[in-house]
Amino acid sequence: DIVMTQTPLSSPVTLGQPASMSCRSSQSLVHSDGNTYLSWLHQRPGQSPRLLIFEISKRFSGVPDRFTGSGAGTDFTLKISRVEAEDVGIYYCIQGTQFPYTFGQGTNLEIK
Amino acid sequence: EVVLLESGGDLIQPGGSLRLSCEASGFTFARFAMSWVRQAPGKGLEWVSGINPGGEGTYYADSVEGRFTISRDNSENKVYLQMTSLRVDDSAMYYCAPGGILWGQGTLVTVSS
Repeated sequence: DIVMTQTPLSSPVTLGQPASMSCRSSQSLVHSDGNTYLSWLHQRPGQSPRLLIFEISKRFSGVPDRFTGSGAGTDFTLKISRVEAEDVGIYYCIQGTQFPYTFGQGTNLEIK
Repeated sequence: EVVLLESGGDLIQPGGSLRLSCEASGFTFARFAMSWVRQAPGKGLEWVSGINPGGEGTYYADSVEGRFTISRDNSENKVYLQMTSLRVDDSAMYYCAPGGILWGQGTLVTVSS
């Protein structure tokens, strides 16, 4: 199974400041079809997860452009250019390149 | 708009069985691998099971292998999870997730005596 490791596990950030989090996979996420199925999800307290970024860097419909995904192979990053209050919650990376799909442990974004 | 409606969750005794259903709309269902993902209270996301777009391949987490069965009906845009020999640690919110990345509101399974 592919192991997904997220860092940091907790990230206190000041409103209006940038935030960054990392996700590393134990093996390459490049699929045989050439795509890399690495996505980022955001879960606010008491809510279902929602998709932010898919295939490393593609923003899902309605996601603000302050969210940017990047990376390749086994190392991936999610950046928020200016954190807003609504961004609090847990961010998960997930690999969908091969079954079993696997999630990172989550990064808890909180406001200082 | 993608809509995922999960149902079938309930309070059930250990050793019991449940069948979860998920009805999908707003995307080409037959083109997507479907997964079930669960989240125990206060815990992270755990992938449980997946099925290929045509239903020809099914996959399971070690924790549910032999107890859970995933299936799908592409004519009705539905995916199912048959759960047997339920244990207390199967208690969680269960989500169906196309590609593991789109989400509904989930259905709550509580296993308790």
